[in-house]
Amino acid sequence: TQLLEQSPQFLSIQEGENLTVYCNSSSVFSSLQWYRQEPGEGPVLLVTVVTGGEVKKLKRLTFQFGDARKDSSLHITAAQTGDTGLYLCAGLRDDKIIFGKGTRLHILP
Amino acid sequence: DTGVSQDPRHKITKRGQNVTFRCDPISEHNRLYWYRQTLGQGPEFLTYFQNEAQLEKSRLLSDRFSAERPKGSFSTLEIQRTEQGDSAMYLCASSFLRASGTDTQYFGPGTRLTVL
Repeated sequence: TQLLEQSPQFLSIQEGENLTVYCNSSSVFSSLQWYRQEPGEGPVLLVTVVTGGEVKKLKRLTFQFGDARKDSSLHITAAQTGDTGLYLCAGLRDDKIIFGKGTRLHILP
Repeated sequence: DTGVSQDPRHKITKRGQNVTFRCDPISEHNRLYWYRQTLGQGPEFLTYFQNEAQLEKSRLLSDRFSAERPKGSFSTLEIQRTEQGDSAMYLCASSFLRASGTDTQYFGPGTRLTVL
């Protein structure tokens, strides 16, 4: 059983469109991180959210932590080809970081 | 601060050989983690250290795997008698555990292992 479910697994959209990807769990997390990973590289941290209901913005990316700290979403406005990559969420629970399998995003020019 | 570094970036070896990977964490970080990532999957936890103490090992870490962090700084991950199933990206991450409990990990570029 995957503790952190990410959806969709794959998403391919045209440049300029908006999109939302999700990270869901039945467990409560102390904090949650979003990473982006490109092929052959390690994950790069985008954001950490800690408080239930917290919203953080990073340019065109908006991250939200669910009120109950069980889920999170990442919304990208006006996607660009440079947004292409694997988006991973990771939750901290019982002193352990747990990763989802990721959403593979492909932005078409 | 140059971030987390890993060496080598790529390793090709024959089945049965031993390999060793090195990770240099961000200097002030007290925690160091090793993960394995296969194609299409998120990173899978292998083990982690707080300072020089190895606090947890995953069931994924068979007897052929050993990790050390002798002085609480860099770490090594050794795989003995490699098998083709060991082929994966091995990722290292470091963090500083804060009093608030947040533990944000910063990853290195990974070592890609191919076992022929």
